Amino acid sequence: QVQLQQWGARLLKPSETLSLTCGVSGGSFSGFYWTWIRQSPGKGLEWIGEISHREIAPGGTTNYNPSLKSRVTMSTDTSKNQFSLHLTSVTAADTAVYFCTRTPLHARNYFDPWGQGTLVTVSS
Amino acid sequence: SSELTQDPAVSVALGQTVTVTCQGASLRVYYASWYQQKPGQAPTLVFFSGNSRPSGIPDRFSASSSGDTSSLTITGAQAEDEAAYYCGSRDIGGKQVIFGGGTKLTVL
Repeated sequence: QVQLQQWGARLLKPSETLSLTCGVSGGSFSGFYWTWIRQSPGKGLEWIGEISHREIAPGGTTNYNPSLKSRVTMSTDTSKNQFSLHLTSVTAADTAVYFCTRTPLHARNYFDPWGQGTLVTVSS
Repeated sequence: SSELTQDPAVSVALGQTVTVTCQGASLRVYYASWYQQKPGQAPTLVFFSGNSRPSGIPDRFSASSSGDTSSLTITGAQAEDEAAYYCGSRDIGGKQVIFGGGTKLTVL
């Protein structure tokens, strides 16, 4: 059974860079878009973006939410079965629970399973 | 871009049937997926690809779609079904993912 375990800094100051990593265990790293989604306190789900394994293109293929695209970078480390999110120049508006998940390349229309979530707080 | 619209809140009596709807232009092109989220937990996939229920999800959960609307139905709602339900799909362009605002289901 595939499990996603995520980790990273939970308290940031404005203008710092958010960095989270998600480890994948119990399943293949290929065949999926690896995805980050966030949820601001008391709010709904916001898709941040996705990255594929290099099977589609060297270095993988990325798609980002246009509202975050200028600040987001995603990467994979297939040797460790991990993928990461970096979000630069954070503000209080980036305070949210961040989830990692995956969607299959052939369907790309559902997410399962999900990581446990990481509450990242941006505060001076 | 496009958006998905859900009713903010719905209630159902214990054991009765309830339907949560999701409306958006992208649903004419892409399947909706449905997620259940309980307080303090990560979302859980409960239905996807039009007619698929993940293993472990009770068969009282079903889904359907018509035109620009997708619906999640719980037949015989149980107390443990009280949660927020989110729909999601690709947007019209297919590169981005969008979610509905969520429906808070209360089981009375």
